[in-house]
Amino acid sequence: DTGVSQNPRHKITKRGQNVTFRCDPISEHNRLYWYRQTLGQGPEFLTYFQNEAQLEKSRLLSDRFSAERPKGSFSTLEIQRTEQGDSAMYLCASSSGQSLSGNTIYFGEGSWLTVV
Amino acid sequence: AQSVAQPEDQVNVAEGNPLTVKCTYSVSGNPYLFWYVQYPNRGLQFLLKYITGDNLVKGSYGFEAEFNKSQTSFHLKKPSALVSDSALYFCAVRPGYSSASKIIFGSGTRLSIRP
Repeated sequence: DTGVSQNPRHKITKRGQNVTFRCDPISEHNRLYWYRQTLGQGPEFLTYFQNEAQLEKSRLLSDRFSAERPKGSFSTLEIQRTEQGDSAMYLCASSSGQSLSGNTIYFGEGSWLTVV
Repeated sequence: AQSVAQPEDQVNVAEGNPLTVKCTYSVSGNPYLFWYVQYPNRGLQFLLKYITGDNLVKGSYGFEAEFNKSQTSFHLKKPSALVSDSALYFCAVRPGYSSASKIIFGSGTRLSIRP
């Protein structure tokens, strides 16, 4: 199966530490998205890449958050100086960017972050 | 700005009965509409989408959804519910122009099917 792959699946970290999540999109998908989901809520958009270019960032993405997609393939999401409010599931998704397909986005299994 | 509303936090249905999960949306221009399902501690799985054409869209696991432009709704339906359908369901919308990017999700509806 060559779906969207995320790791690590779970991360427990102490407040103030930095964490990094990795996402490998579906092969040949040129669009990659990061969303955040807290318990009982729908996914909230964080940022979006087309190839290596980061085209949109949500106001939710504070300056402690940074996302990269250096070669237009995998992406990393780094959170610096973690806070307890960062505890959430971080979802990565990808799409082909073909309008006729409606740009359906396909999600990975998510990376759970717990900040203690 | 685009938005999605799922007015019911929870829907309870007996197995074998029909189910409906409601969704209304607001978006500029023609919408692309989606339904996703999420099982506990898992990512979201794509169920179905409306892009254009027939207002009744069929998707995975026997689900279907009806697009109603005048009511700006995209309700999810299934003729006969299964216990295994119990999960969290999300409606999502994206503007239907090529430069549009992100999909915006509703807050979700928990579907509970009792045996």
